[in-house]
Amino acid sequence: QVQLQESGPGLVKPSETLSLTCIVSGDSVRTSVSYWSWIRQSPGKRLEWIGYFYYSGTTNYNPSLKSRVTVSVDESKNQISLKLSSVTAADTAMYYCVRGAGWNYAFDYWGQGSLVTVSS
Amino acid sequence: QSALTQPASVSGSPGQSLTISCTGTRSTFGTYNFVSWYQQHPDKAPKLVIYEATKRPSGVSYRFSGSMSDNTASLTISGLQAEDEADYYCCSYAGVDTFWVFGGGTKLTVL
Repeated sequence: QVQLQESGPGLVKPSETLSLTCIVSGDSVRTSVSYWSWIRQSPGKRLEWIGYFYYSGTTNYNPSLKSRVTVSVDESKNQISLKLSSVTAADTAMYYCVRGAGWNYAFDYWGQGSLVTVSS
Repeated sequence: QSALTQPASVSGSPGQSLTISCTGTRSTFGTYNFVSWYQQHPDKAPKLVIYEATKRPSGVSYRFSGSMSDNTASLTISGLQAEDEADYYCCSYAGVDTFWVFGGGTKLTVL
């Protein structure tokens, strides 16, 4: 059974960098044919795909966030990380770590989510 | 505004069948059928209920089915039960420029 567990600060100041990590168990971030993704959900409940790390090493990001986002992995810890720079109140959301199946492009496993509020 | 359009809310009585639509464009659906649907109960993470427009993951009730026609994907729930009350989101893999886009979500109420 694949499990994902996010962690990180719940409060970030405007203009600073949001950093989250996700521990993966039951699968490998470097051998599983999967798109290890971050998805966020705004307070208004809108879902937005942020970006992914593909097992081969490729990363790709939502064009609307591309200039501010970095997704990376730590293979030794089987962990995925998200960095989002220059945050504003509009980045306040629940952030989910998610596995995207490489064979059908569906998000089949989700973490429980990490709520991040951007406020001074 | 979402790239995929869903009704904000739908409702039905126990035992009824109900369909939620998800309308996009050729660019959001592309030439793929990589449409997925997610169920989200309050304070829970979304759960995959349909992938590749019509396929059901192992463990998901047979009462959930999906279909696709032109630029509209649909999720049908038959034999409505109280536990089906949740928010439902459609999602499409739109290709290597846009990647994934989501609908705005539909709140399903069981009367």
